[in-house]
Amino acid sequence: QQQVKQSPQSLIVQKGGISIINCAYENTAFDYFPWYQQFPGKGPALLIAIRPDVSEKKEGRFTISFNKSAKQFSLHIMDSQPGDSATYFCAAIESYNFNKFYFGSGTKLNVKP
Amino acid sequence: DAGVIQSPRHEVTEMGQEVTLRCKPISGHDYLFWYRQTMMRGLELLIYFNNNVPIDDSGMPEDRFSAKMPNASFSTLKIQPSEPRDSAVYFCASSRLAVEETQYFGPGTRLLVL
Repeated sequence: QQQVKQSPQSLIVQKGGISIINCAYENTAFDYFPWYQQFPGKGPALLIAIRPDVSEKKEGRFTISFNKSAKQFSLHIMDSQPGDSATYFCAAIESYNFNKFYFGSGTKLNVKP
Repeated sequence: DAGVIQSPRHEVTEMGQEVTLRCKPISGHDYLFWYRQTMMRGLELLIYFNNNVPIDDSGMPEDRFSAKMPNASFSTLKIQPSEPRDSAVYFCASSRLAVEETQYFGPGTRLLVL
């Protein structure tokens, strides 16, 4: 059973547009939600993360929106650039029980110039 | 710092052979993680160590997989015997703290078992 469901599987956005990737979870014990960015041939790198006590976190062009009641969170990439083309993974963790670390299936983003 | 170092970067082997993947974490990092990435299952946490001690190996798929961390600067993931379904990219990552501190991933080892 997939603990974190991520959509869409792939996304094509024009340069300057907004990229939106969504994730949903069921386990209410999850209390830390990071997003990772992975370029081809590289390992994932932490992009931004949020705890459920806030509804939004912004770092530059990247924003996480969190809806605790709906058990959903999303990544928004504003003013998307070709250099943002990568695979993005959401994840969910029970921080007191670290072995419960689950990744979403990934979204391949292609930003067209 | 050179970051997390993994070797080999690519490995092609035949079914039944032993495979050993190696990882050197970032100096000063207390946690080391092994992940497997496949198209079908995505990223999976296999095992992690804290101060060289295995904390949780519940993600290890079966007894054919084993991991060791003999010292703070070296870890191995061994598959014996290897099977075609083990073909994947294996990542090693390290961090100073278990959760909120950034995990730094290595470049991965792409394993193909024929």
